This record gives sequence, structure tokens and C-alpha cells, in this order.
Amino acid sequence: EAGVAQSPRYKIIEKRQSVAFWCNPISGHATLYWYQQILGQGPKLLIQFQNNGVVDDSQLPKDRFSAERLKGVDSTLKIQPAKLEDSAVYLCASSPHEESGRWHYEQYFGPGTRLTVT
Amino acid sequence: EDQVTQSPEALRLQEGESSSLNCSYTVSGLRGLFWYRQDPGKGPEFLFTLYSAGEEKEKERLKATLTKKESFLHITAPKPEDSATYLCAVRYGGSQGNLIFGKGTKLSVKP
Repeated sequence: EAGVAQSPRYKIIEKRQSVAFWCNPISGHATLYWYQQILGQGPKLLIQFQNNGVVDDSQLPKDRFSAERLKGVDSTLKIQPAKLEDSAVYLCASSPHEESGRWHYEQYFGPGTRLTVT
Repeated sequence: EDQVTQSPEALRLQEGESSSLNCSYTVSGLRGLFWYRQDPGKGPEFLFTLYSAGEEKEKERLKATLTKKESFLHITAPKPEDSATYLCAVRYGGSQGNLIFGKGTKLSVKP
């Protein structure tokens, strides 16, 4: 079974530039997550999709970050404009469909995109 | 206040020297405690899920246990290839299915 795919693996940009990350979840997984992992920290959720609808985006800095999941499969995360503090690894994860209120499936992570903002 | 706290931050062991990693949590209504392994430059790799106090799960040299306030990841006779960062995460009633991660424990096993 193919895992979660992400691209690019690495990206270096200057502050105030824009950048986009792409994620392809495990086939059949309805739920998709984007996490930000700063060096030495655990991953922090940015946004969660169930199919192509947003379940939770409470921690997404909406003035500069945006995400979409067209057709309930692939997803893109965009940062515009980038700040120095956005330097981190951006992880995408997916899990199977959850019945409302159950939430018991584990999440499977992709390799991440390492972003450096200079 | 952190909802998930892992200790120690770093642990250095000799090959064959057994030890335990700790994950304590303060959330209520636990819906699952998850252990992940993360190697440098890679995404977290799922290891275990524990749902209720008293539950135990094993995989090779790893054994995870859960109480009402914490979980332990026991490593028996570790090998150098067990070197990685081990992340603990919780899912609880108010988290919409999301995982709240600790900062991890970086384990180094020397031959």
C-alpha cells in the first residue's frame, strides 16, 4: 500500500515570498491533516479535512496560510507572505473515514516538507 | 500549560541497557494515546494506540502501557537501530479527532 506522498521535500524562500506544498493521502483515506513541526517540538495541527470539508482550522494563521482539498483527495497548503518563524517541517497525514464522534483511527504521516525562510 | 509532557527530553543508552520513556497527560475524556517513532528527516511512524488504563501493547523490543495519567514506553535490550525520537500524542473528547503531541524523547543507543 502506497503511503502519504508530499512534495517538494525541501524549499528555501525569502521572507515575504509565497510557497505551496502538495499532499496525496493514502488511497481511500477520507480525513487529511496538515501539521507544522518546528525543530525540537512535536507536530502541531494546522488544519483537518474530512473529504473536502474543513473540520478544524482553529490553529491555522488565516492571514497568511490557506489550504484546500479539491475533490476530497489531494490537498495543497499555501503560505503568503512567508515569515521567518514559518521555518519548519510541514507534515501531511491521513486516516480512514471516522464515524461521527468515534475518532479512533491512527494517522499515517508523509515524509514532510522542510521549509527554510531566510 | 502543556497537555502532553514527555520525559526525559533525551536519553542515551548502551546497547542492551533497558529503560523506559514517560508520557504524562492532563486532558480529560481520553479517546486514545498514540506512540510514534520519528527518524531524522522523516515523518512520524505509527507504533501503538492505547485506549484504556491497564492496556498494554508490544512490538519487538517495545512495550507500551497506559495508566489514568500517563503512559510508558519500555525498551528492552535496545539496539542502535532503535535510536530515534519517540513521540507521544493524545486524542480526547474535545479535540475533534486531532492529535495533541508532546515534544518527544530523543533516544540514542550506542553499540
